[in-house]
Amino acid sequence: DIQMTQSPSSLSASVGDRVTITCRASQAISNSLAWFQQKPGKAPKPLIYAASSLQSGVPSKFSGSGSGADFTLTISSLQPEDFATYYCQQYNTYPYTFGQGTKLEIK
Amino acid sequence: EVQLVESGGGLVKPGGSLRLSCAASGFTFSNAWLSWVRQAPGKGLEWVGRIKSQGDGGTTDYAAPVKGRFTISRDDSKNTLYLQMNNLKTEDTAVYYCAHYSNGWDWGQGTLVTVSS
Repeated sequence: DIQMTQSPSSLSASVGDRVTITCRASQAISNSLAWFQQKPGKAPKPLIYAASSLQSGVPSKFSGSGSGADFTLTISSLQPEDFATYYCQQYNTYPYTFGQGTKLEIK
Repeated sequence: EVQLVESGGGLVKPGGSLRLSCAASGFTFSNAWLSWVRQAPGKGLEWVGRIKSQGDGGTTDYAAPVKGRFTISRDDSKNTLYLQMNNLKTEDTAVYYCAHYSNGWDWGQGTLVTVSS
């Protein structure tokens, strides 16, 4: 199975900050990488697909990049509603696998 | 607008069975490849399995922890996806989501399955 490793596992930031979360695959996955945001008690919300394409309705403050095995999610100008847990997922090879999550907290 | 609505969750004893449903709308269901994903309380996300469209063979793939116990099926006449879960274990306790990919992901809101004596 392809292992997905996110870093950091947790991150403290302030409103207005720009943050970057990284996701590394244990083997190349082309650009078959998605990012999700999850708030407590809610379903994961898709943010990015195909590594860098924004899901419909997601604000442009979220951006993704990368290809092969290394990917990043960047969130610019953090707002209170952005504090959540973020997951990456590879969908290049079965079984599809997720990163362990990055919890973004308010400093 | 794509909608995925899961149902069928509940409390079941270890060794028991349960069938989840996912009612879909807003896309051509018969052409879709569909997945189930789960999340145990306080844990991360785990892909459960996937079914291809009938046109692509209708075949299924499963994650190792559920292979041989869970079965994914579909009824294209009802635009509904199913997850039959047999021989349930306490570690199967989770919220179960159905998901669809077509130029981006769509997920349902999930249904909670609790396996406990």
